[in-house]
Parts: sequence; structure tokens; C-alpha cells
Amino acid sequence: AQSVTQPDARVTVSEGASLQLRCKYSSSVTPYLFWYVQYPRQGLQLLLKYYSGDPVVQGVNGFEAEFSKSNSSFHLRKASVHWSDSAVYFCAVSLITGNTRKLIFGLGTTLQVQP
Amino acid sequence: NAGVIQTPRHKVTGKGQEATLWCEPISGHSAVFWYRQTIVQGLEFLTYFRNQAPIDDSGMPKERFSAQMPNQSHSTLKIQSTQPQDSAVYLCASSSWTGNTEVFFGKGTRLTVV
Repeated sequence: AQSVTQPDARVTVSEGASLQLRCKYSSSVTPYLFWYVQYPRQGLQLLLKYYSGDPVVQGVNGFEAEFSKSNSSFHLRKASVHWSDSAVYFCAVSLITGNTRKLIFGLGTTLQVQP
Repeated sequence: NAGVIQTPRHKVTGKGQEATLWCEPISGHSAVFWYRQTIVQGLEFLTYFRNQAPIDDSGMPKERFSAQMPNQSHSTLKIQSTQPQDSAVYLCASSSWTGNTEVFFGKGTRLTVV
């Protein structure tokens, strides 16, 4: 069964510092992976996605993620965070079996950026 | 493009009452999903429609929960005899059906059962 683990429930960084949010997945096949962000009282917004090819994918607002098959990971990175990046970040894997399709989410990491 | 529209944004119901949540997917999207979000369980898949047909309801509680998509412009999630444990944010999402295209989420309906 596919699953996603985000080991850090909360991460606090200072504005301007670099960021890494960790994501580990479990999948019997090469997965389709996503990072979503959720701002307060908002829905989820897609940051980036990985389907195949270059393991480093670029997303919006300076975010990037690196896929590692050997480590079963898809960590999210940003070189310099801004206070507006404070939000909850979700890693997800897409499960397509037969005619059905769904996203399996991790529990999320709350990012707090301190001024 | 107004995105996925969910109404109401907040709903408070008394224990035992019925709650109906509405979703208007993005025009042209053939796939519609419902998820439930709680602090403890995170984001849980509930059900999935494709071209208005129910495809996968494996995440739906077997009792009291039902979902419908009577036309391509809206879907409803109905909870009968609501219980305090049904309190959650219910998210609707839609996408086009071409494999793993982006799934767009609404802002959710926060249901509180008192």
C-alpha cells in the first residue's frame, strides 16, 4: 500500500534561512509525487509535482524538491524563506489503480518563519 | 476561473441533524474528489466521481455519509444524523482526467457538530 510520512510536524526557521521539509513515501511502483501548501482558511495549492525525469523539480515561489528512489524520499527545499511562507505543507503520492484515482497525503508539516 | 467553489464555508449543526455540503468543480473538469481534514487523521480520501459517475467511495463511512453528483456542475456530500466526530473540514477537489494532472482544491467547508 502506498503511504506518505512527513516526520516533522512543525519546523521553525528564521526569515532568510534555508529550508528543507522532509517527505518519505512507500510505493511498490515509481510514484507520482506532489507538494501542496495550505494557508490559513484556504484550500490546498499545488507547489510542484514529480512524474519522471530530472529528479529535481522546480515549483512556484522558489520552491524545489528532489526525488530519490534509493531513499524513497521527496524533500522540499527553499534557499531563502520569507515570512509569507508560513503555512502547512503536505506531501502526497498519487494512487491510480484500475479506474480509480486518489491522492494519499502525509500529515503535514507546519512551517513557522520567524522575523 | 473562480476555482472550485464550496458552500457554505462554515456550518454548525446540532447532534443528530443532517448536513449537506455543496461543491462546484472547475468547469470542464471530469474528476471530482471529496476529502475530510482533521488534526488527528490529516487529509482522508472520501470519494471520487468521474464524469458524474461514482467510481470509488472506499473512504466513505458506511453509515450516514453519502455523495452525489447529479450534474457536471455540482456535487453534494450529505451527512445524516451528524455526530461530534464528524466535525472536520471537508474539501472538494476537481481535475481533468488525463492521468496525473493537477488536482485543484476548494477552500473547504468547516463543519462543527455541537
